[in-house]
Amino acid sequence: DTEVTQTPKHLVMGMTNKKSLKCEQHMGHRAMYWYKQKAKKPPELMFVYSYEKLSINESVPSRFSPECPNSSLLNLHLHALQPEDSALYLCASSQVAGNTQYFGPGTRLTVL
Amino acid sequence: GQSLEQPSEVTAVEGAIVQINCTYQTSGFYGLSWYQQHDGGAPTFLSYNALDGLEETGRFSSFLSRSDSYGYLLLQELQMKDSASYFCAAPDSNYQLIWGAGTKLIIKP
Repeated sequence: DTEVTQTPKHLVMGMTNKKSLKCEQHMGHRAMYWYKQKAKKPPELMFVYSYEKLSINESVPSRFSPECPNSSLLNLHLHALQPEDSALYLCASSQVAGNTQYFGPGTRLTVL
Repeated sequence: GQSLEQPSEVTAVEGAIVQINCTYQTSGFYGLSWYQQHDGGAPTFLSYNALDGLEETGRFSSFLSRSDSYGYLLLQELQMKDSASYFCAAPDSNYQLIWGAGTKLIIKP
C-alpha cells in the first residue's frame, strides 16, 4: 500500500471557523509533512514530524497547528484563517526525513 | 542559501524527446529528486539520483552531475498525458526538501 489519504478533498470555511484536515498513511513511514501550495508555485513546507519530533517552518502563522496522534496519522487544525490562506494543502510521508516523499491528493481550502 | 533553478516552461511535440534541466546550490548534497504534478493534482515522485549518471524508469530518465551541480529529466516518446509541471527537489541539511520553481511542460500534437 503506497497510498497517503487526505480528508476532506474540498473545504470552504469562514474566517471565524475551526476545522481540521486529516492525513493517514499505512506504509510504516516515520516522517510526515504538511505543505501549502498556491497556484503555479512549488509546495511550501509547513511542518515535519519525524520520529515523533515536530519541526516548524517559522514563517507559518499560529492559526495553523499540527497534531500527530500516532505514527500513521497527521492532522492540521485550522483556526481564524484569512482569505490568503486559501490554497491546496498537501500531506506527504517518507520512510525517513529527506527520502522520497509520497503525497496525498490534497485538500483544496477556500477561506471566505 | 540553497536554491534550485529550472526553466519556467518548455514546449515539445507529441512523440518527441524533451529535457528539463535543473541546477542547484546546496550546502551539502543529499540527492536530487524529480516530481510530476498535473493541474489540480498532487505531486508524484518520478526519479531520484544520489550518484552521478543516468537512472532510467520506462520513458523517463534522470541524470546527475555532482561536479556541475546539475541534473536533468529526460522524457521520451512524449504523450499528451505528460503535459504537467515538473519539479526538481533536493534535501537540505535538515533533510527537508528544497523545491525548484517548477517547469510547465506543454505538449503540442
